[in-house]
Amino acid sequence: QSVLTQPPSVSGAPGQRVTISCTGSSSNIGAGYDVHWYQQFPGTAPKLLIYVNSHRPSGVPDRFSGSKSGTSASLAITGLQAEDDADYYCQSYDSSVSGYVFGIGTKVTVL
Amino acid sequence: EVQLLESGGGLVQPGGSLRLSCAASGFTFSSYAMTWVRQAPGEGLEWVSAIGVSGGTTFYADSVKGRFTISRDNSKNTLYLQMNSLRAEDTAIYYCAKDRNSGSGSYDYWGQGTLVTVSS
Repeated sequence: QSVLTQPPSVSGAPGQRVTISCTGSSSNIGAGYDVHWYQQFPGTAPKLLIYVNSHRPSGVPDRFSGSKSGTSASLAITGLQAEDDADYYCQSYDSSVSGYVFGIGTKVTVL
Repeated sequence: EVQLLESGGGLVQPGGSLRLSCAASGFTFSSYAMTWVRQAPGEGLEWVSAIGVSGGTTFYADSVKGRFTISRDNSKNTLYLQMNSLRAEDTAIYYCAKDRNSGSGSYDYWGQGTLVTVSS
């Protein structure tokens, strides 16, 4: 049970737009702490996808975008591609546990 | 090229100890906070511990507080995680990761991970 709630799975056809929500509370996202997103393929280490809510590291395609509002954040993938089939995790700081927390992860399936 | 190489994982009995190492290269190790994140088989990511640039500031998840100790040797460009009183629920792949920007809480480089199995 994570303090950051994500849908277990989302799916879409190639070319479609999908969004992944990350719902927190007043002790994490709602307190103003930044949200970061990671992409992970089976058997490999996570990769930083979005940092500080909406910034993309160099090399990350611009079809990935992040936003934050209130106690929630979202990751959007526009123009879904087969290579986007992976697990996605949100992360933030939580003052109630005095540490960083990850969401449970969302499996994106490209149909 | 930034590289992080974990080592020290393996099979250990409940109650036992292990020391993980993470050898860093390709960046000024002493300028960045570092973190350990773990992933139990088939499960999600769990933040474990973090350490500031000098090693004087450390943070732990409640699940490992009092049992694990994070440390670093900036002269050797190496991060450590001393794990004591290990439990079955500590079984996971342990990743070391570099803070993108010290204090940012976002991790821009990760090692390949080392597997820790706690079982009798």
